[in-house]
Amino acid sequence: GQNIDQPTEMTATEGAIVQINCTYQTSGFNGLFWYQQHAGEAPTFLSYNVLDGLEEKGRFSSFLSRSKGYSYLLLKELQMKDSASYLCAVIGNDYKLSFGAGTTVTVRA
Amino acid sequence: TAGITQAPTSQILAAGRSMTLRCTQDMRHNAMYWYRQDLGLGLRLIHYSNTAGTTGKGEVPDGYSVSRANTDDFPLTLASAVPSQTSVYFCASSEAGGQDTQYFGPGTRLTVL
Repeated sequence: GQNIDQPTEMTATEGAIVQINCTYQTSGFNGLFWYQQHAGEAPTFLSYNVLDGLEEKGRFSSFLSRSKGYSYLLLKELQMKDSASYLCAVIGNDYKLSFGAGTTVTVRA
Repeated sequence: TAGITQAPTSQILAAGRSMTLRCTQDMRHNAMYWYRQDLGLGLRLIHYSNTAGTTGKGEVPDGYSVSRANTDDFPLTLASAVPSQTSVYFCASSEAGGQDTQYFGPGTRLTVL
């Protein structure tokens, strides 16, 4: 089976930086996705990593280490609108997405 | 562009009744998926379809059936609903399956009493 772990909740202050960690143990690895989900809405795509290293996209960056089964999503210059759940998902040998339970980030003024 | 639409937005259903959740995409994507999302469990794959005319079982298929008669539509049917099927259901699609990015519909909130 697939095991994907991420913290349940995180709180940070507007303008700060938050790092959301994700560790995984899966049957094979064919890529890792991060999605953002606002309350009551659909998940929306943030990033995709398949090779080791850092992918930067504006205020959001995602890092992957395949040897450690580890990824993180870095949110910089936090804004109130960044309050949401962040979902880590891994594609295994079956080429299907397996999701973690999600990390709810609350941004305080 | 509409992307992916789902209907209904929400529904309350009596246990034992049947229900079909509708999903339509206008992106001409080959692959489509159905997930359920429950608090503390994350999204779990129910059924998928890699292309029109084919379907496959995901992680939690029991009690659900799907069909894929054409590229655009992927309905999910609950033949005889039970309270444990109370959940938020998301439909998603991707261009060709595999590692392609999945795009999600707005969801259907289903309550089975």
